[in-house]
Amino acid sequence: AQKVTQAQTEISVVEKEDVTLDCVYETRDTTYYLFWYKQPPSGELVFLIRRNSFDEQNEISGRYSWNFQKSTSSFNFTITASQVGDSAGDFCALRVEYGNKLVFGAGTILRVKS
Amino acid sequence: SQTIHQWPATLVQPVGSPLSLECTVEGTSNPNLYWYRQAAGRGLQLLFYSVGIGQISSEVPQNLSASRPQDRQFILSSKKLLLSDSGFYLCAWRSPGAIRKNIQYFGAGTRLSVL
Repeated sequence: AQKVTQAQTEISVVEKEDVTLDCVYETRDTTYYLFWYKQPPSGELVFLIRRNSFDEQNEISGRYSWNFQKSTSSFNFTITASQVGDSAGDFCALRVEYGNKLVFGAGTILRVKS
Repeated sequence: SQTIHQWPATLVQPVGSPLSLECTVEGTSNPNLYWYRQAAGRGLQLLFYSVGIGQISSEVPQNLSASRPQDRQFILSSKKLLLSDSGFYLCAWRSPGAIRKNIQYFGAGTRLSVL
């Protein structure tokens, strides 16, 4: 069975601070896919990134970066120089190669204060 | 481009009343379709998914049912709502094809309050 753990229920930071959201996953499958989604106050889940299990390269997209480490089964999300507009729920998810389902973590609510 | 529509956006229903939430996808064919529920302040729970017309897989036994009468239409229903059915319901789709596969795209959601 697969499991995704986001231990941080809620994080509050002051604008311009860097913040890292943790994600730890469990699976026995050797091929799997990891995702991050953002949920703004409007409620719609917005896809941010997908990472394959065989690609451990970190990725940077503007102020967002993702650190994938298979050795620790982690896929962490860092926001550099946070902005008030980054305030949202952030969800990590896992799908195995031949599965139809995404398994979501409980999410981390990020609050960025001015 | 592909788009997903959900309606209604907000719904307030009395206990014991029926429910019908609709989701449609445009710009793709034979998508995989999903219904999720999100309780307040919690993560997403997969309720149903479908890989084709009339094919429904249920993840959690409950008071809800799903149907897929057309290729790009997915309906979530209940005959009698319970208080515990309150929540935020999200529909999602995924292309089974090679391009952009694996990524699920979500609709705007329906906020259901059962009173």
